[in-house]
Amino acid sequence: AQTVTQSQPEMSVQEAETVTLSCTYDTSENNYYLFWYKQPPSRQMILVIRQEAYKQQNATENRFSVNFQKAAKSFSLKISDSQLGDTAMYFCAFMKNTGNQFYFGTGTSLTVIP
Amino acid sequence: NAGVTQTPKFQVLKTGQSMTLQCAQDMNHNSMYWYRQDPGMGLRLIYYSASEGTTDKGEVPNGYNVSRLNKREFSLRLESAAPSQTSVYFCASSETREVEKLFFGSGTQLSVL
Repeated sequence: AQTVTQSQPEMSVQEAETVTLSCTYDTSENNYYLFWYKQPPSRQMILVIRQEAYKQQNATENRFSVNFQKAAKSFSLKISDSQLGDTAMYFCAFMKNTGNQFYFGTGTSLTVIP
Repeated sequence: NAGVTQTPKFQVLKTGQSMTLQCAQDMNHNSMYWYRQDPGMGLRLIYYSASEGTTDKGEVPNGYNVSRLNKREFSLRLESAAPSQTSVYFCASSETREVEKLFFGSGTQLSVL
């Protein structure tokens, strides 16, 4: 079975600063995908960034980047130059390469302080 | 672009009542999903449908039934609602070739009294 753990229920960051959200996972699979989703107060789930396990290079999307450590089964999200619109719940998620079932972490509530 | 549309947005039920949550997507996606979101639990998969005419159980299917009416629509039915089913329900869809790109609806807040 796959499990995804987010150990930080709540975090805050000053506007324009950098924050890192942690995620660890447990799996016996070798090929898989990892994701970070953002859920703002509107409840809409938005894909922030994804990482293929077979790629050693860390994924980057504008101000969002990940630190993927496959051996340690760690997948952290770094948000640079934090903006007020980044305030949201962030979910880490895992998906096997074969199949279409996602496993989500319990989420980290991020507040960006003006 | 409507994307994934869920109805209703809010619902209050009494224990034992039944109801159906509706979901439709206009992106011609093959795969559709139903998740529930509970505080401290993240999102958990209830049922999914990899293609029209097929459905499979997810992590927490007990107490629910689903119907993949056609390619666009995937409904979730609670036959006899229980307080433990109080949750926020999300429908999602994805394309088979890009299953990792989940598109979510805006959710249904369900309370069972």
